[in-house]
Amino acid sequence: AQSVTQLDSQVPVFEEAPVELRCNYSSSVSVYLFWYVQYPNQGLQLLLKYLSGSTLVKGINGFEAEFNKSQTSFHLRKPSVHISDTAEYFCAVSAYGGATNKLIFGTGTLLAVQP
Amino acid sequence: DTAVSQTPKYLVTQMGNDKSIKCEQNLGHDTMYWYKQDSKKFLKIMFSYNNKELIINETVPNRFSPKSPDKAHLNLHINSLELGDSAVYFCASSPGENTIYFGEGSWLTVV
Repeated sequence: AQSVTQLDSQVPVFEEAPVELRCNYSSSVSVYLFWYVQYPNQGLQLLLKYLSGSTLVKGINGFEAEFNKSQTSFHLRKPSVHISDTAEYFCAVSAYGGATNKLIFGTGTLLAVQP
Repeated sequence: DTAVSQTPKYLVTQMGNDKSIKCEQNLGHDTMYWYKQDSKKFLKIMFSYNNKELIINETVPNRFSPKSPDKAHLNLHINSLELGDSAVYFCASSPGENTIYFGEGSWLTVV
């Protein structure tokens, strides 16, 4: 079974400052890793994903994340945030499972960007 | 043009009623899902279908019955609605082993 831990439920940050949202996972098998963003009263949008290859992955809106297998982490970073980045961010993991593939989500981190 | 579309987006209904949420995907994916997001924003899978066959059923009450008339549609019917069913229900689809694409969500409020 897999699990995901997002240590911070809320991260306040000032506009144009850098931010890191932490995500750690647990799994006995190889996994795929994802970050999704949910803007207020909207659906889930895929920010980026790690499937294989380079451990540094770049996503939309200037976000990037680094897969660290030894630390079982997949932290999300952005060098300079905007007010419009205020949203809930979810880290998720799925095992290599074919038709039984399913996402296990963390509890989410609210990124609150202040002017 | 919406890849995964679900209707209605908002639904307010009384306890004891029966309601349905419809979902359609135009991505040609074989696998579709229903996820539930509770009031604390926790997301959990409910069902997964692959080519109209039920693959995953995560111990959801029998009052919830998914139906997949074809691989592009996965509807969710809920009988005898309870207050605790109030949540956001997300439909999603996937081409196979990795990325899952979500719809915009259906906000269900049971009063």
